[in-house]
Amino acid sequence: GEEVAQTPKHLVRGEGQKAKLYCAPIKGHSYVFWYQQVLKNEFKFLISFQNENVFDETGMPKERFSAKCLPNSPCSLEIQATKLEDSAVYFCASSPTGGNTEAFFGQGTRLTVV
Amino acid sequence: QQQVKQSPQSLIVQKGGISIINCAYENTAFDYFPWYQQFPGKGPALLIAIRPDVSEKKEGRFTISFNKSAKQFSLHIMDSQPGDSATYFCAASNQAGTALIFGKGTTLSVSS
Repeated sequence: GEEVAQTPKHLVRGEGQKAKLYCAPIKGHSYVFWYQQVLKNEFKFLISFQNENVFDETGMPKERFSAKCLPNSPCSLEIQATKLEDSAVYFCASSPTGGNTEAFFGQGTRLTVV
Repeated sequence: QQQVKQSPQSLIVQKGGISIINCAYENTAFDYFPWYQQFPGKGPALLIAIRPDVSEKKEGRFTISFNKSAKQFSLHIMDSQPGDSATYFCAASNQAGTALIFGKGTTLSVSS
């Protein structure tokens, strides 16, 4: 597609439940990035992929967060045992040639943990 | 993570005025400096970007000024319009392009 598609738009989970977010990058883009935006403020980098390989995972809270980008499937970000502090908007972006060129962002998934 | 510091946090400008947002970075390995514009409920969209080999880039009403020695860059919006009211984020990426590091954003309000 011509835009980054993120699903669902909204997700509500009780504390301790699992949350799974999906991202379909723009067709032909090899790089996918996940960011967390809390309170409409700064974007915290989580993880990036080059095709199905992890490119950079320095931002990932590894205990409960995991992500995958498998061939012919949307990329996914999964949060096990969600906490209140995980409430945020999660953005996915894709780029044809890496993070030092234009990255196209999706509309985000708003996760609310109650 | 390496920081990108952005100021001011909020800005109110009269219609037709100039909006100026400033950013400073620490890591000299950064080599790509984009500005993103975000409207409420939307994802950020690239506005304009610059690389360290030039000191200024202009696209329409938007100009980036870049000072490599000071490790600072700024966004100037000329003839600001109410439709420019949004949150603006500066960012930086290293040569590997593994991630964009964002500033904390500036909320711009252009009054008519």
